[in-house]
Amino acid sequence: EAGVAQSPRYKIIEKRQSVAFWCNPISGHATLYWYQQILGQGPKLLIQFQNNGVVDDSQLPKDRFSAERLKGVDSTLKIQPAKLEDSAVYLCASSDRRGSPLHFGNGTRLTVT
Amino acid sequence: RKEVEQDPGPFNVPEGATVAFNCTYSNSASQSFFWYRQDCRKEPKLLMSVYSSGNEDGRFTAQLNRASQYISLLIRDSKLSDSATYLCGVGNDMRFGAGTRLTVKP
Repeated sequence: EAGVAQSPRYKIIEKRQSVAFWCNPISGHATLYWYQQILGQGPKLLIQFQNNGVVDDSQLPKDRFSAERLKGVDSTLKIQPAKLEDSAVYLCASSDRRGSPLHFGNGTRLTVT
Repeated sequence: RKEVEQDPGPFNVPEGATVAFNCTYSNSASQSFFWYRQDCRKEPKLLMSVYSSGNEDGRFTAQLNRASQYISLLIRDSKLSDSATYLCGVGNDMRFGAGTRLTVKP
């Protein structure tokens, strides 16, 4: 079974620039999550999709972050404009249904200078 | 109060020791509980699910206490390879704690 694919692996941008991350979940997985993990902290849920609908985006800073999951398969997370405090690893995860164990991608390490 | 809280650690134990971590959660309606392991600069990986009756997988035992709203992870006969950060994940929206760092020393 192919795992969760994420790209890019690393990204360095200057503050106020824009950046986008891409995630392709495990085939057939209906639920997709984006997390932000700052060094030394646990993963913080940004947004959860069930198929192509948003289940929870209560912790997504909507003034600068946006995410979509067109056609209920792959997903993109965008930051515009980036701030220094957005430097983190952005993890995508998927599961076959809500409440099931998550499978994580390798993550995208973002550095904002 | 945070939704999911873990023992802050770090835990530094000798090989062969038994170590236990706790994780408390605030949403009493939570139905799903998991322990994940995260190695340095890697993604979290599922260690084990936590069932109501408690469950064991080799040297690892997980327990759930619904009345007190916490889950626990017990590691027996610690190995050097157990050194990692252990994350608890709770609920359908899978909220995580800050993680507990374990270092097993020779």
